[in-house]
Formats: sequence, structure tokens, C-alpha cells
Amino acid sequence: ETGVTQSPTHLIKTRGQQVTLRCSSQSGHNTVSWYQQALGQGPQFIFQYYREEKNGRGNFPPRFSGLQFPNYSSELNVNALELDDSALYLCASSLGQGGSGYTFGSGTRLTVV
Amino acid sequence: QKEVEQDPGPLSVPEGAIVSLNCTYSNSAFQYFMWYRQYSRKGPELLMYTYSSGNKEDGRFTAQVDKSSKYISLFIRDSQPSDSATYLCASQYNFNKFYFGSGTKLNVKP
Repeated sequence: ETGVTQSPTHLIKTRGQQVTLRCSSQSGHNTVSWYQQALGQGPQFIFQYYREEKNGRGNFPPRFSGLQFPNYSSELNVNALELDDSALYLCASSLGQGGSGYTFGSGTRLTVV
Repeated sequence: QKEVEQDPGPLSVPEGAIVSLNCTYSNSAFQYFMWYRQYSRKGPELLMYTYSSGNKEDGRFTAQVDKSSKYISLFIRDSQPSDSATYLCASQYNFNKFYFGSGTKLNVKP
């Protein structure tokens, strides 16, 4: 299977709940990066995993956490959801750690009410 | 100050026009510069990638980087309605120091 797939596509959660978003990286890619894109804004870097190790983190609180699995798929977990967490969450995979080869998924639209 | 600044538009042009999209950045350490196109309800897709200063052309698209003025441009020739999308510029200086602009929404009218 080619391309990056994310699930679910849409999600509605209540403030204070926890959510897990999933990403299957493109075949052959060993790096996954997660981004948050608020409406009308550019994507903001959350963190990056390279071969199951976290190797970078943006300015997001600790309640944003993640994992990368041996098959290079990944999860983004967000605890204690806040209204401002409502956004499109994008996963991007690449071979190596650079951004030039990013392939983005279509994202998960999270709404916190 | 944001790392990468971009005029949000929207920008509306007639079909066939030349489109100029621009960004500025603040960190002189940035070495890699990219343009992404994002259609509604989709993730960004890479259009152009350049290293350091200079021009790069790919079909109807030309990317330009001027490091002396910290200015990034994307030109679209013979614009088509299918070019209507949000265009995001991005800059990078380390494998995990990657910053996007806020995006410019382009509408090409038939």
C-alpha cells in the first residue's frame, strides 16, 4: 500500500477526555512526524520519531505523547483534551529525518466540545 | 515574531494569470525551503524543494529563494482553476526544525 493513511478521519471528543490518533507510514519510510493544523493556520510541529526513537519535539505540553512501532506506524495520544486542541492532526512520513521528502496523510479532524 | 510569515490572502486571479506567492523568514540558519499545496480536506503535498539561494523550475512552477533578504517566492505561470488551493511555504535548518507559514489561499477563476 502506498501513501500515508490516518485514522479516524473525524472525531468528536469531550473536554477532559483522551484520544489516540493512528498513522500508517508510506512503505519504506522510517520517520514519522506529527503536526497540528488549526483552522486557517499552517501546520505546527508536535514531534518526530525516527526508527522508534523520538528525536524532536515542538512547543506542545506533555499531555501530547506518541509512539512509533517496529513497522514504523505511529500513534499520537492527547490527554486531558482542551477546546483549543480542536484541529486537523497531520501525520507525515519520510525516509530519513529531513522534511524535503515528507508525504502527508489527509489528517484526522478532531473536534473537542 | 513567527519563524515564517506568509500573507494569508485570499488571492483571486483569472485563469492564465501569473501568480506570485511570497514568504519571509526570520532565522538565517534556515537552509532548506519548500512549497506545499493543500487542497481542502487534504494533507499538504510537496510542490517544490530548494536548498539555499537560487531558482528552481518545474513545469509551470518556479521557486525562488533570496537568503540575503530572507525572502521565498513561488511563481505559477498560466494558472489553472485546478491550482486553486492553499499554498504553504516551509523552511528547515535541522532535521526537526521545520516551520510552516500560515498559508495563502489561491482562487483561479475560469
